[in-house]
Amino acid sequence: SAVISQKPSRDICQRGTSLTIQCQVDSQVTMMFWYRQQPGQSLTLIATANQGSEATYESGFVIDKFPISRPNLTFSTLTVSNMSPEDSSIYLCSVGFRNEQFFGPGTRLTVL
Amino acid sequence: SQQGEEDPQALSIQEGENATMNCSYKTSINNLQWYRQNSGRGLVHLILIRSNEREKHSGRLRVTLDTSKKSSSLLITASRAADTASYFCATEDRGGSYIPTFGRGTSLIVHP
Repeated sequence: SAVISQKPSRDICQRGTSLTIQCQVDSQVTMMFWYRQQPGQSLTLIATANQGSEATYESGFVIDKFPISRPNLTFSTLTVSNMSPEDSSIYLCSVGFRNEQFFGPGTRLTVL
Repeated sequence: SQQGEEDPQALSIQEGENATMNCSYKTSINNLQWYRQNSGRGLVHLILIRSNEREKHSGRLRVTLDTSKKSSSLLITASRAADTASYFCATEDRGGSYIPTFGRGTSLIVHP
C-alpha cells in the first residue's frame, strides 16, 4: 500500500487569505489527486496532478483558485486562494497505486 | 465519469448485527471499490472488486458485484461499535481515466 501524509491536519483561516496544503507519499507515483469533501457530502475531484506538467482541473475548479504544484513523484501541494467560508471543507490528496486508490488523512479547513 | 449511489443513506444497528449497504452505478466499469471514512478523517480502502468478479471476502467484509444490475453490496458481519463510519463506493469507468468517482455514502452507526 501507499502511505500518505498531509499537512496541516486542520486549520482555521480568515476570509481572503490563502492556505497551502502539503501531501507526501512514501512511494513514487505518477498521478496524484486532490479531492474536496464539503460537510456531509461526498468527495469531489478538484484536479489531477502529474509530475512535470500542469494539473488537470475538473469542471468548476480553476487554477487561479486552486493552484497545484507537483515538483516530484512523491510530493504535491494544493493552495486554496482568497478563501471564503464556502471553502470550508476537508481536502484530501490521493494516489493510485497498484490499481488501488489510497487517501491521505485529510486537511480540515474552516474559513471564518 | 459516473457516480456510485449508496443506499441507504443512513443505517443504525446494534452491535453483533449484520450491516448491508448497496451501491448502484450507471455505466460499464472496470472495478468498484469500497471505502470507509471515520468522522472527519481520511478514507480507508476496504476492498476492490473487478468487473469479472462476483464476490469477494476480506475478514468480516463481503462484497458482491452484479454487473447486469449495475449494483454492488457491502456486507459487514457481526458488526462492532468501531465499524461506525461512513462507507463509500467508488467506480472506475471502463474506457475512462483511472479516477474513481464517489457516491454520497452510507452513514453507519453501530450501537454498543
